[in-house]
Amino acid sequence: QKEVEQNSGPLSVPEGAIASLNCTYSDRGSQSFFWYRQYSGKSPELIMSIYSNGDKEDGRFTAQLNKASQYVSLLIRDSQPSDSATYLCAVNGISGGYNKLIFGAGTRLAVHP
Amino acid sequence: ETGVTQTPRHLVMGMTNKKSLKCEQHLGHNAMYWYKQSAKKPLELMFVYSLEERVENNSVPSRFSPECPNSSHLFLHLHTLQPEDSALYLCASSQLRATGIEKLFFGSGTQLSVL
Repeated sequence: QKEVEQNSGPLSVPEGAIASLNCTYSDRGSQSFFWYRQYSGKSPELIMSIYSNGDKEDGRFTAQLNKASQYVSLLIRDSQPSDSATYLCAVNGISGGYNKLIFGAGTRLAVHP
Repeated sequence: ETGVTQTPRHLVMGMTNKKSLKCEQHLGHNAMYWYKQSAKKPLELMFVYSLEERVENNSVPSRFSPECPNSSHLFLHLHTLQPEDSALYLCASSQLRATGIEKLFFGSGTQLSVL
């Protein structure tokens, strides 16, 4: 079982719609969860972090965390073509006795006009 | 600008060459990382330095050699690479606390091509 799983996509949504990106993780002890956006040929950029169950909103972005279900999601409201990118889910886990961020393979989002 | 500067942005090298990637962070963080990103694969952690001490190398081949002279600078020395080593190499930094990793900030990456 992969440690952090994401649907690779592409997820295609029309401009103005809500894009919903999902992520599941295997380590029940994980405490910190992050969403990164990566444009083609660029490095990942942190857009959201969430540490407790529930929703966290920042502008058009909402992160949702459910630790019981080991599930974290990212909602993008009023999607714009500039949101087209790959979204990486990252989870803080312990491997070899050491804390590290474990990344999913990413979901590619395409917002079409 | 994330506060993590990485050079060069692009690098083409032959299998017999020796080159180095450089990274500098201006965020006052206590940990620095090298990641490898290949097409369609998750980010792979290669090396971690915490307080200038290497704490994990993740079974990376010896043709990759990291160096961390201080908490702000990180190098990745490359020699006798293989074509399958072609990838995007990312430097990152974070503040490590007893409760875990805080946010990870990435440099712009080096797109490496091995011919």
